[in-house]
Amino acid sequence: EPEVTQTPSHQVTQMGQEVILRCVPISNHLYFYWYRQILGQKVEFLVSFYNNEISEKSEIFDDQFSVERPDGSNFTLKIRSTKLEDSAMYFCASSEDLELGGINEKLFFGSGTQLSVL
Amino acid sequence: LAKTTQPISMDSYEGQEVNITCSHNNIATNDYITWYQQFPSQGPRFIIQGYKTKVTNEVASLFIPADRKSSTLSLPRVSLSDTAVYYCLVGEYDNQGGKLIFGQGTELSVKP
Repeated sequence: EPEVTQTPSHQVTQMGQEVILRCVPISNHLYFYWYRQILGQKVEFLVSFYNNEISEKSEIFDDQFSVERPDGSNFTLKIRSTKLEDSAMYFCASSEDLELGGINEKLFFGSGTQLSVL
Repeated sequence: LAKTTQPISMDSYEGQEVNITCSHNNIATNDYITWYQQFPSQGPRFIIQGYKTKVTNEVASLFIPADRKSSTLSLPRVSLSDTAVYYCLVGEYDNQGGKLIFGQGTELSVKP
């Protein structure tokens, strides 16, 4: 089965530093997402991306966050100035654009990037 | 605020059938109900999806009553490897549009 690939698997950074989390979605997928999960808590929606623009974002996704699809294959999440509370597992997901409509499409998740902010 | 309500945890034994029910009283007319499974330190994995009545695949069955205000995930003959968190998802809508929000999920523990 095709996979969503995320790199790096672990990222350690200092508070205030910029980080970029990278994802390679499944090649024929058109919807892209970032979720995060703080240890012991639920999976939280951050942002969805379709047709080269953000379609939805949560309150968590403030001005410190941005997403980009720089080259047609990668999908990145940038945190400009990391805070301690940004420490979490970040999951990228993608889905096809079938007849069900974006929100009903099956999401394929990557294995995540564990971000630790010190 | 999550639009779904599930039991926080369930215990079962190997070989038993497990049924996890999710309430989604405000489900939108066009929305499907989707269930995901998550193991520790892994991303959620799609299990099954349905719109109404009953759906079955090689992993599970999904029962949806006519009013669609709830759904039940049925796992036949669970094994230790089915120990995981199970989430049911429906769309949540605001002035931006729709998105998939995970609730707290149901932590299933399968014992020998």
